[in-house]
Formats: sequence, structure tokens, C-alpha cells
Amino acid sequence: EDQVTQSPEALRLQEGESSSLNCSYTVSGLRGLFWYRQDPGKGPEFLFTLYSAGEEKEKERLKATLTKKESFLHITAPKPEDSATYLCAVIPVRANDYKLSFGAGTTVTVRA
Amino acid sequence: NAGVTQTPKFRVLKTGQSMTLLCAQDMNHEYMYWYRQDPGMGLRLIHYSVGEGTTAKGEVPDGYNVSRLKKQNFLLGLESAAPSQTSVYFCASSRNRGGQFFGPGTRLTVL
Repeated sequence: EDQVTQSPEALRLQEGESSSLNCSYTVSGLRGLFWYRQDPGKGPEFLFTLYSAGEEKEKERLKATLTKKESFLHITAPKPEDSATYLCAVIPVRANDYKLSFGAGTTVTVRA
Repeated sequence: NAGVTQTPKFRVLKTGQSMTLLCAQDMNHEYMYWYRQDPGMGLRLIHYSVGEGTTAKGEVPDGYNVSRLKKQNFLLGLESAAPSQTSVYFCASSRNRGGQFFGPGTRLTVL
């Protein structure tokens, strides 16, 4: 069974304090790994797609990396507006219908 | 370009009542999905569609039905609402193996 595990569950940072979120996955072949940001009361907002080990994507203060077993979302010098829940999801190779399997998320709080 | 829109935004039902949630997308995506999100449970797939006229069951389909009569619309129906269906419902769409784009959600309470 496909499993996506995110850690930590919650992360409290001081403004400017860089950190990383982890997403580990157990699938029999990865078609794609996705990172989303979700603000309270809103739908998930697409951030990145990673397809193969070694791939990296960047957007402002966020950088996502991928290995064969896990992905990291690095937050560099975070600001209070980076506070949100970050969700990781995977599509296994066998999923011809492109269904996503989501992790439970990491809630990030950045204090000014 | 509105992306993915959902109607209504909020709804309160009594046990046994029925309702339909409407999802519309203007990105010409083939794939559409309905999720529910509950505290501590994350996002769970209810039903999905890989094209107009096709639907399939997801992880938690019981108590729900769907229809995709037009490519841009995906309807989620509750025939006889139960308190266990109190949740936030999200619709999403995608082209293929790219990222799914989500709507703003419908907050449903069943009393």
C-alpha cells in the first residue's frame, strides 16, 4: 500500500530561521511528487512537481528536492507570510488515473 | 480565467436531506476529482473522473454519487446526508501527470 509520511507535524520558526520539511514515501515506482501550500479556510495551492531523483525546484524562499525515498521542502529565511500547512502528495507509476496520495501535512508558523 | 470554482461555499443540512455540490473548471482539464478534508485525516479522495461521461470510486465513496455530463463540470451528490459527512469538500482538476488545481472548498455541516 502506498504511504506518504510528513514530518514534523508542526514547525514553529522565528522570522529568518531557515528549516526543512520532510516527505517520505513508499510506492512501487514514482510517477510524480507534488508539494502544495494550504492556508486556513482555503484550498491547497500547487507549488511544485518533481519527477525524478536529483531534481530540484525553487520558488522565492522555497526549494524542493527529491531522492528515491523522500523529498525535502527547504524554507530559507522565512517570513510570517510563509505560515501555512504544506502538503506532500505522490502519484505511483501504476496509477494511470493520476490519483494523488496525500500526506497529513506540516503546519508551519513563522513568528515576526 | 477563474480556474476551479465550487458552489456553494457553505451549507447546513439536516440528516436525511439531499444536496448537490457543483464544481466547474475553465482550464480544459480531462481529469477531475472530489476530496473531503477532515481534521487529523488529511485529504481523502471520494470519486474522480478521467473524462467526460466517466466516473470512478476513490478511497471513501460510500454515501456519495457523482456525474460528469460535461467536460468542465463535475457534480457531487449526497442522497441522504449523515452527520459523518460533515466536512470540507474540495474539487480539483488536472491535465494528466501534472499538478492538480484545487477549488476554494465547500464547508458542509450535517445536523
